Amino acid sequence: EVQLLESGGGLVQPGGSLRLSCVASEFTFSSYAMTWVRQAPGKGLEWVSSIRDIGGSTYYADSVKGRFTISRDNSKNTLYLQMNSLRAEDTAVYYCAKDSSRSGWYRGFDYWGQGTLVTVSS
Amino acid sequence: QSVLTQPPSVSAAPGQKVTISCSGSSSNIGSNYVSWYQHLPGTAPKLLIYENNKRPSGIPDRFSGSKSGTSATLGITGLQTGDEADYYCGTWDSSLSTGVFGGGTKLTVL
Repeated sequence: EVQLLESGGGLVQPGGSLRLSCVASEFTFSSYAMTWVRQAPGKGLEWVSSIRDIGGSTYYADSVKGRFTISRDNSKNTLYLQMNSLRAEDTAVYYCAKDSSRSGWYRGFDYWGQGTLVTVSS
Repeated sequence: QSVLTQPPSVSAAPGQKVTISCSGSSSNIGSNYVSWYQHLPGTAPKLLIYENNKRPSGIPDRFSGSKSGTSATLGITGLQTGDEADYYCGTWDSSLSTGVFGGGTKLTVL
């Protein structure tokens, strides 16, 4: 069965950095676009960043542009989110999600990780 | 303020039907696929509808999706108490080159 296993969350001070990882299994990782979505406490889902399968084009929400970097290592079936200059408003549960369409784009996210909590506080 | 507009809450009795609307614009819903998600606290969101109106395997046909112009609708029939959750629509915005979600709709099954 398809699995997405996130790690790397934790408590960090404002201005600090974290790198989230999402290890994928039981599907051809390199053939699917991947996305990070977050949910702040008491708030709704917020799209953070996406990366295409081929070519690896990347896209970011304005709220994280210039601070976060999405990347993938297809040889390791792993998606990353490097988060720098973290702010209190970045506190959220971060989910990685798989696009439902092989070599497609933004058709719907059919598998999600369990989520990893990032807390930015002094 | 979300790019996609959903009602904050809807409610209906068990066994009844409910619809949840999602309103956008020509650059998002009007030109891209819409998906719908069910989210229970403490769990990962679950895909209910993809590509506007397709159901993943395992999702009962009580759940349906439709799209017309710049709006989309999720329908749920035969409501069950287990359907109580937050529901989100999502799509791509071609002008912003970003993903977008609605603000979410809390479903209460009375």
